[in-house]
Amino acid sequence: GEDVEQSLFLSVREGDSSVINCTYTDSSSTYLYWYKQEPGAGLQLLTYIFSNMDMKQDQRLTVLLNKKDKHLSLRIADTQTGDSAIYFCAERRGSSASKIIFGSGTRLSIRP
Amino acid sequence: DTAVSQTPKYLVTQMGNDKSIKCEQNLGHDTMYWYKQDSKKFLKIMFSYNNKELIINETVPNRFSPKSPDKAHLNLHINSLELGDSAVYFCASSQDRGGGGTGGTQYFGPGTRLLVL
Repeated sequence: GEDVEQSLFLSVREGDSSVINCTYTDSSSTYLYWYKQEPGAGLQLLTYIFSNMDMKQDQRLTVLLNKKDKHLSLRIADTQTGDSAIYFCAERRGSSASKIIFGSGTRLSIRP
Repeated sequence: DTAVSQTPKYLVTQMGNDKSIKCEQNLGHDTMYWYKQDSKKFLKIMFSYNNKELIINETVPNRFSPKSPDKAHLNLHINSLELGDSAVYFCASSQDRGGGGTGGTQYFGPGTRLLVL
């Protein structure tokens, strides 16, 4: 189908790791992205991964890509209160047109 | 020195009115976009322009008309506003269509919150 799927909510304890999962649909997608949206703000790119990579790490963020299962995950180590936001997974379909399909977003909340 | 800016930030108007939202980017990007985010936070692309040329036009009512006077600006005009048009509208821009060194990353503006009464 068309949809990029994510679970809607995730709650973790401060200091724990958060893992946000995403399933995309197009095996020919070239790039996959994670965006963060804080309340009342626009989307901010966190990281992206090219489809020929399995993993990408950037400080507290680790992205894992399983192309066979079309599964993307974002791990946030040592989750802080400032990480509370909605996290969007997105896939780029095709190379000739800038069409990015966004998931429905996962709302991450942090428990003390 | 905001990268992607939109005006206005908030827009409250009556049903049936015509309104415009403006977007400007100072990143030197050649592609710009309009997205609509509904109350459930679902984000859907509406239009994309590359060098002032329309390249994506999703299924959007023709009451919505984008205009790109130059590659740094992409405005959105909405005629005969309806209650269902209430949403947050995001403008975005990217360097290239294909990918390149930036992965075709899109940079988003802060959004325009439209409320139709």
